[in-house]
Amino acid sequence: NAGVTQTPKFQVLKTGQSMTLQCAQDMNHEYMSWYRQDPGMGLRLIHYSVGAGITDQGEVPNGYNVSRSTTEDFPLRLLSAAPSQTSVYFCASSSPSGTTDTQYFGPGTRLTVL
Amino acid sequence: QQPVQSPQAVILREGEDAVINCSSSKALYSVHWYRQKHGEAPVFLMILLKGGEQKGHDKISASFNEKKQQSSLYLTASQLSYSGTYFCGTEITYAGNNRKLIWGLGTSLAVNP
Repeated sequence: NAGVTQTPKFQVLKTGQSMTLQCAQDMNHEYMSWYRQDPGMGLRLIHYSVGAGITDQGEVPNGYNVSRSTTEDFPLRLLSAAPSQTSVYFCASSSPSGTTDTQYFGPGTRLTVL
Repeated sequence: QQPVQSPQAVILREGEDAVINCSSSKALYSVHWYRQKHGEAPVFLMILLKGGEQKGHDKISASFNEKKQQSSLYLTASQLSYSGTYFCGTEITYAGNNRKLIWGLGTSLAVNP
């Protein structure tokens, strides 16, 4: 049981490049979410999903897309990277009560946009 | 909507106690507490539900005052391993039955020998 996995662990992009941050969980959790964490800003919700085929926006969705084709995977796409997207990105999953249950966080992806 | 945590930072000697507070301007469905060590992911400590139910560690206690929309985390007889940043997450409802978690900015706790 690997829990929540994220790849890559580190990434450097140039402004304007696109990329996909991968997130997978093997706990059969319905609820998955993406956060970004910046110094002094806490955790801010980017997008979330309550199940396969269902996604919704969080607090800071601009510049990011998500999809949920399977229960296990919830990738986050940066469409055209900007320096303001330099951050640490965490994926989390929970079940069965979604936001009312324990959030299991992945190890994070540290992204730098030059 | 973001909950306010206090204090922002605290320094303890091993064995001392600490209280971390979390206050929201919104009615809360639940309050979550997590600890994050530097360079690592947040780790679950406790959930306090509306109505009084709690889920979490035996060695960490917390309270939830629904009327005041406040929660407090109590760390007693602190150990070096308690060091880290503590986040509260407040679960609020919006647009009918939808819910979301909003996180505070964190409280940095350092325990020294």
